[in-house]
Amino acid sequence: DAGVIQSPRHEVTEMGQEVTLRCKPISGHNSLFWYRQTMMRGLELLIYFNNNVPIDDSGMPEDRFSAKMPNASFSTLKIQPSEPRDSAVYFCASSFTSGSTDTQYFGPGTRLTVL
Amino acid sequence: SQKIEQNSEALNIQEGKTATLTCNYTNYSPAYLQWYRQDPGRGPVFLLLIRENEKEKRKERLKVTFDTTLKQSLFHITASQPADSATYLCALDGGNYGQNFVFGPGTRLSVLP
Repeated sequence: DAGVIQSPRHEVTEMGQEVTLRCKPISGHNSLFWYRQTMMRGLELLIYFNNNVPIDDSGMPEDRFSAKMPNASFSTLKIQPSEPRDSAVYFCASSFTSGSTDTQYFGPGTRLTVL
Repeated sequence: SQKIEQNSEALNIQEGKTATLTCNYTNYSPAYLQWYRQDPGRGPVFLLLIRENEKEKRKERLKVTFDTTLKQSLFHITASQPADSATYLCALDGGNYGQNFVFGPGTRLSVLP
């Protein structure tokens, strides 16, 4: 299995631009998670889906952030408009279920820089 | 307020020694706790899970303990090797609906040859 796939691996954009991050979870996994990691705040859960349905988006920082999962093999995290404080590494993870004891498998991350 | 702390930002030890990393939490009542390893430029990788009714869990050179009275988990790497150098994160269930995982800030371990 290829594991969780994220694209792009690096993204540099200017403030005000729209940014779209993409994730392909491991086949057969029913839950998908989006995280953000910064030096200041560590690894934060933004939103997670179970069977393509958003279950909890309380970690999404602002309305500028939105996430979708149109099917079991694809999810996007969009930031519009982007701001310099959005600069971080964004990770996507998937697990077989959303159960608390299930192992999450992380992708390689997308390093976002907003100038 | 709720808080997860890991003993130090960085820990240096000599090869062959046992590394001990600490995870302390406040105002959580986790039913389980997980440990992950993260290498630079990569996503975290799951290592071990321990449940609240388990005192200790082992996997090869790794050992995890979980003390719900002290609200603490200890993560040990015995016979440490330079290849063990990485950042180690603890994670626990946040106890709130939907917050499956809350991660600690991590400890960067360097094993010196």
